[in-house]
Amino acid sequence: GAGVSQSPSNKVTEKGKDVELRCDPISGHTALYWYRQRLGQGLEFLIYFQGNSAPDKSGLPSDRFSAERTGESVSTLTIQRTQQEDSAVYLCASSTGQGRWGYTFGSGTRLTVV
Amino acid sequence: KQEVTQIPAALSVPEGENLVLNCSFTDSAIYNLQWFRQDPGKGLTSLLLIQSSQREQTSGRLNASLDKSSGRSTLYIAASQPGDSATYLCAVKDSNYQLIWGAGTKLIIKP
Repeated sequence: GAGVSQSPSNKVTEKGKDVELRCDPISGHTALYWYRQRLGQGLEFLIYFQGNSAPDKSGLPSDRFSAERTGESVSTLTIQRTQQEDSAVYLCASSTGQGRWGYTFGSGTRLTVV
Repeated sequence: KQEVTQIPAALSVPEGENLVLNCSFTDSAIYNLQWFRQDPGKGLTSLLLIQSSQREQTSGRLNASLDKSSGRSTLYIAASQPGDSATYLCAVKDSNYQLIWGAGTKLIIKP
């Protein structure tokens, strides 16, 4: 596609429920990031995928968080047993795996846990 | 370990002024540097991308420079407008193709 697409754009869920967020990167982009941004805060790194290499999961805040990506395709971020502190905007960005190109961000998913 | 610093953290200027935002990085082994803009409650928009071999990039009223040897980049905004109010972030793409972020400069342009 022309840009990075994230869905849903907004999600309200009850505490304790599981949620799945989706990121459709630009076609051919091998690098993909997930970030979290709480209200009024900076970007918080969650996970980084680069092609078929093992992902860098060092930013995932707890074992309730997981992310999957197969090759250069769609990525899903799953949050199990959501807590109120999970409320944030979740942003996805993708780039080619080459040095030259920059990163493009999606519009984000605003998650509200009530 | 690469570290990116942005100064100032916040800036408020009257409409019409020219202004400069600063970004510095500790390791010159970068592929490129990107300036982004973020409006409150919105995602990030890429403004300018400078390759490590380049000295500057221009887009409209924006001009970004890069001095890789000294680890510095500046974003120059000419004739500022209230619509320029946003948080400006710089990020370097390091030798592992990963993005390292500055903390941002919150810019307010007063009408």
